[in-house]
Amino acid sequence: AQSVTQLGSHVSVSEGALVLLRCNYSSSVPPYLFWYVQYPNQGLQLLLKYTSAATLVKGINGFEAEFKKSETSFHLTKPSAHMSDAAEYFCAVSAKGAQKLVFGQGTRLTINP
Amino acid sequence: NAGVMQNPRHLVRRRGQEARLRCSPMKGHSHVYWYRQLPEEGLKFMVYLQKENIIDESGMPKERFSAEFPKEGPSILRIQQVVRGDSAAYFCASSPRQGRYYGYTFGSGTRLTVV
Repeated sequence: AQSVTQLGSHVSVSEGALVLLRCNYSSSVPPYLFWYVQYPNQGLQLLLKYTSAATLVKGINGFEAEFKKSETSFHLTKPSAHMSDAAEYFCAVSAKGAQKLVFGQGTRLTINP
Repeated sequence: NAGVMQNPRHLVRRRGQEARLRCSPMKGHSHVYWYRQLPEEGLKFMVYLQKENIIDESGMPKERFSAEFPKEGPSILRIQQVVRGDSAAYFCASSPRQGRYYGYTFGSGTRLTVV
C-alpha cells in the first residue's frame, strides 16, 4: 500500500524567502509522485510530477522537487516566495499498476509581506 | 476546451435527501475519478470509472453511495439519504488514458452541505 506524509500542516515564510514543503512517501514499488496546489474554493492544479525519469523535476510557477529514493522523499521548493504562492499544497503518490492517487494531508502555505 | 466541469458548485441538502453530483470530463478523456475532501483533510479516493464500467470502487462507502459513467453524458456520483457526515467537497478528475502516465485534470469541485 502507498501512503504520503506531509510534514507541517502550516508553513509560513516571508516574501522573497525560500519555500520548502516536505513530503515523504511509502511505496513497495517505484512510485509516481505529484505535487498539486489548491487555491481557496478551487480545484487542484498540477505543479509537477515525477515519473521515473530525471530526479530533479521542474514545474510551473518556479517550483521544483527532487526525488530521493534513499530518503523516500519528494520535497517541494521555490527559491523566492511570492504573495501569490499562498495556497494549500498536496503531495500525492501513485504506485505502478494503480490508477488512483493517494494524497497527503496538505500543507497550507502563508506568505508574510 | 472547457476542462473538467462539475455541477453544481454548491449543493445544500437536508438530512435524508438525495444528492446527485455531475462531472463532465475533458473532451477526449474516457477515465474519471472521484475524490472526497473533508474539512481540513486531504483528498480521499472514492471510485475510478471508464465509460460504462466501474474499475476500482475501493474507496466508496458500502452503503448509500453509487457512481456511474454512462456511454453518453456526464459521470454521476449519487448519495442517497445524506447525513451530516457527508458534508464535504467532492472532486472529479479525468484523464485520456491511464492517469498516472498521462496526468489527471481536476474540476473545481462540488461543495455539499447537509443541514
